Amino acid sequence: DVKVTQSSRYLVKRTGEKVFLECVQDMDHENMFWYRQDPGLGLRLIYFSYDVKMKEKGDIPEGYSVSREKKERFSLILESASTNQTSMYLCASSSSPGLAGDNFFGPGTRLTVL
Amino acid sequence: AQKITQTQPGMFVQEKEAVTLDCTYDTSDQSYGLFWYKQPSSGEMIFLIYQGSYDEQNATEGRYSLNFQKARKSANLVISASQLGDSAMYFCAKGGMNRDDKIIFGKGTRLHILP
Repeated sequence: DVKVTQSSRYLVKRTGEKVFLECVQDMDHENMFWYRQDPGLGLRLIYFSYDVKMKEKGDIPEGYSVSREKKERFSLILESASTNQTSMYLCASSSSPGLAGDNFFGPGTRLTVL
Repeated sequence: AQKITQTQPGMFVQEKEAVTLDCTYDTSDQSYGLFWYKQPSSGEMIFLIYQGSYDEQNATEGRYSLNFQKARKSANLVISASQLGDSAMYFCAKGGMNRDDKIIFGKGTRLHILP
């Protein structure tokens, strides 16, 4: 019954490391999203993709990049992790963001950068 | 720019009472969907209820109902007969109907149900 999976639930990295967060969905969805969640700020969109090899910046793309080489996989990359990127990262996929029952979230990755 | 506003950062409600969580949104889209999600302390996002912008009836799902007022651009969530298990973070969100649209979220309301 698993729909959206994320590679890790918890991750601890050091400042300056390159970090990969992986998200895989098994519903053949075109749209995939990466959010970060911080207390008092809700979910903020980092990047999204509506097709393979397509990517669009969200509201807070600085310090992040993404890769979508295959439809089912959307990777978030922190080129050089910094302590202010300590956060909960949530991946979502959708066939149409405006339709009911079509948006699914992964369990989240709690990243700590030391 | 599109925006979702949830004005109540936290709420305390007595068990079995009804509770209304506020949500207003700003959009120029003609067609869109509005959602509410529940996030318990475990972190997963649980879909609760959906309202399409052209739906004439307010959405209901069990104890959840959505008070949709399109002209006022508000989509408040009403939980009837609250339970201790309703204690969680609640997010209002909006999705567009176009292929390259995104889902945007409010900052959330933390609901505490008191025994």
